[in-house]
Amino acid sequence: DAGVIQSPRHEVTEMGQEVTLRCKPISGHNSLFWYRQTMMRGLELLIYFNNNVPIDDSGMPEDRFSAKMPNASFSTLKIQPSEPRDSAVYFCASSFGTGQRQPQHFGDGTRLSIL
Amino acid sequence: GESVGLHLPTLSVQEGDNSIINCAYSNSASDYFIWYKQESGKGPQFIIDIRSNMDKRQGQRVTVLLNKTVKHLSLQIAATQPGDSAVYFCAENAGGKLIFGQGTELSVKP
Repeated sequence: DAGVIQSPRHEVTEMGQEVTLRCKPISGHNSLFWYRQTMMRGLELLIYFNNNVPIDDSGMPEDRFSAKMPNASFSTLKIQPSEPRDSAVYFCASSFGTGQRQPQHFGDGTRLSIL
Repeated sequence: GESVGLHLPTLSVQEGDNSIINCAYSNSASDYFIWYKQESGKGPQFIIDIRSNMDKRQGQRVTVLLNKTVKHLSLQIAATQPGDSAVYFCAENAGGKLIFGQGTELSVKP
């Protein structure tokens, strides 16, 4: 079975550029999560969708960050303009059901470096 | 200047021994807990979960224990193998969000 698929796996770009991260959740899962992982702050939830609708975006750091889920099989996380402090590994996860009392299954992440 | 990362707690065990990884959680109202394993360059991988109406749950070679009195969670790995070397995270559902701990690095010596 295909797991959560993220692209690209690695992204290196200059500050000020727009960055778009992509995620395909596991088929049949109706909740999707975007996380950011850094050594200093660990794993942080950025935003959570249920049935393609954003439910909680309180973790999105600033207006430079935006996320969309146009359909059940695709989501994007966009950073515009990017800054060096955005460098991190960004994970997408999906799960069945509502709320967060079901196992979330993670992709292998996008390692983002902003120069 | 260069930022300094957190130093994860490390547990070093001999291959074949049992491992116990501990986690203290913060919210007495948390009702769902989950353990993940993360290998280098990969995403967190689900190991086992437990709800607050249970105090023990077993999987294949793993057992999770929940002590709600002292807000403590542990993951026991039986007969630890080199492939178990990874960072292990606990997470609690607090107020509708999964909150992850900082992780423990497990190192298995052959």
